[in-house]
Order: sequence, then C-alpha cells, then structure tokens
Amino acid sequence: GDSVTQMEGPVTLSEEAFLTINCTYTATGYPSLFWYVQYPGEGLQLLLKATKADDKGSNKGFEATYRKETTSFHLEKGSVQVSDSAVYFCALKGRGSQGNLIFGKGTKLSVKP
Amino acid sequence: GAVVSQHPSWVICKSGTSVKIECRSLDFQATTMFWYRQFPKQSLMLMATSNEGSKATYEQGVEKDKFLINHASLTLSTLTVTSAHPEDSSFYICSARKTRSYNEQFFGPGTRLTVL
Repeated sequence: GDSVTQMEGPVTLSEEAFLTINCTYTATGYPSLFWYVQYPGEGLQLLLKATKADDKGSNKGFEATYRKETTSFHLEKGSVQVSDSAVYFCALKGRGSQGNLIFGKGTKLSVKP
Repeated sequence: GAVVSQHPSWVICKSGTSVKIECRSLDFQATTMFWYRQFPKQSLMLMATSNEGSKATYEQGVEKDKFLINHASLTLSTLTVTSAHPEDSSFYICSARKTRSYNEQFFGPGTRLTVL
C-alpha cells in the first residue's frame, strides 16, 4: 500500500542554519504531496503542497519539489528561525482515495538561538 | 479562517468506562471529517472517515463497535471510545474537510486520552 518515509528526528539546528528534512513515498499512480507543521500545543497546519511532478510548493521560506524520478518531496529552508521549532509531517493523498492522508512519522525540529 | 476544535484536550478515565471526544468545525461546514490516532513517535494513523448523515467508514483493523463515530451535523463529529482499556491510551486527532472541497483538511489540536 501507499506509504511515506521521512527522516527520523529530532533535528537540532542553530538559528540561520540550512534545513533539509527528507521525505520519500511509495504510491500507485501520482499522489498529491504535502508538508504539515504542528507547533507546540496546536493542530496540524498545511505548510505547502504539490499536486504533480516537478511542482514546487513554497510557504514561509520553506520549499519542497515533487520529484517523481526519486519519489521524494524533501523539505528545505535556507535560514531557520527559533519560531520554526515544531514537528513536521510529510503526507500523501492518493488520486483515487476519499481524501484521507497518509502521514510519515513526523520530524521534530528544534532551533536554538 | 478554518478552525477545528476538539474537546476535551485531555482526559483521564478508569478502565471499562466510555469516553466521548468532540470535533467541531467552528467557522465552516464539513461534510467529511476524519479521525486519526497517533502513538508516541509514530505517524498519524487514519481510524475512520465520517460523512455527515451516514455511517462512518472504518479502516482495516479498527473496531467499529469500540470506536463509535457519529457525524450528526455539518459542524460536529464525535468519537466515543467504549469500555476503554489502557491500550486505548493515545492521542486522537480529528480533521475536517470543507463541504464541496476535495483538497485541504483542517486539523484539530488533538485529545490526549489516558486510561488507567
């Protein structure tokens, strides 16, 4: 079945460091791909998405490119801030599904000043 | 906005009792709501999909008689954990999808259930 694998955390970075969180997927067809963020004490929020190959999703300085050839959707940010500390989830939604999402395990990011 | 609330945010109960968790879409109508379960350091696992006015669709391995889902209105879905046991202790998260929207889901903050 469909699945998402993302790098294990926690990830600890200093402010202004470069961030990469790897995400790869297994799916039939061409799923839509998402990154969600969960700040402490809050619900998951959609960070960015891409619906077809080579699309780049971007938001708040974060980017991820849908790579069909490597079945990947890695999250990147050039310069992280303390306020980016959160748990990040990679997810996919299959074309034929009822709209439910399949999530990776989440990666906790801590940014130190 | 698109705000989803859950109540309670945390609950502790004795083994054998039932617990009801509410999921509300505060500023939009949601034909479809989803219930997830999250174990520590694990991903969110979909438990069931509920559509307003009809029976919920449960994922394989989820006991529908144990996890009762009711979606009686376009803004409220409830999950009742019946005869709870310690192994039911978990973080339960709901999400809601706007009526006539196929794409984005909006998530509640989650409910931490601890069964003693």
